Amino acid sequence: QKEVEQNSGPLSVPEGAIASLNCTYSDRVSQSFFWYRQYSGKSPELIMSIYSNGDKEDGRFTAQLNKASQYVSLLIRDSQPSDSATYLCAVNNNNDMRFGAGTRLTVKP
Amino acid sequence: KAGVTQTPRYLIKTRGQQVTLSCSPISGHRSVSWYQQTPGQGLQFLFEYFSETQRNKGNFPGRFSGRQFSNSRSEMNVSTLELGDSALYLCASSLARAGIYEQYFGPGTRLTVT
Repeated sequence: QKEVEQNSGPLSVPEGAIASLNCTYSDRVSQSFFWYRQYSGKSPELIMSIYSNGDKEDGRFTAQLNKASQYVSLLIRDSQPSDSATYLCAVNNNNDMRFGAGTRLTVKP
Repeated sequence: KAGVTQTPRYLIKTRGQQVTLSCSPISGHRSVSWYQQTPGQGLQFLFEYFSETQRNKGNFPGRFSGRQFSNSRSEMNVSTLELGDSALYLCASSLARAGIYEQYFGPGTRLTVT
């Protein structure tokens, strides 16, 4: 079982829709969780971090964490073509960061 | 505040050679992590340095090594290069204190081994 699992996609949504990206992790004692966006040919860019159960909102992005279910998600509201990228979920336990393989998102105009 | 910088950005080497990559973290960040990214394997953790000490290590052979200097700049070295070492090498810096673990990536060094 992989430590951090994501659906590889591609996930395709129309412009203006909500994109929902999911991630599960295996290490129950993981402490902090992150979402990165990576455009083709570029390095990952941190877009959200979440440390506590519940929702955290930042602009069009909402991260959701459920530690009991070992599940973290990212919602992108009002999706734009510029959101088309690969989204990486990362899980940190005591400075040991593990990444999922990423979900490729395409937002169609 | 300046971001993470990596040099060189692109590198072409031949099998059997060695290579050294450099990373300068964000000012004030004491932790530097290195990752290898390939299309098939995704982002794989190499090692993490904090205050000049290797604190974590991934599952890579001993040909991959690193170090960190007193100013937090870090280098990684790959000896006896193999074709499979062709990848994007990323470094990320972090404050790594007081529960703050966000990592910020540099632009990467794209290494091609021929």
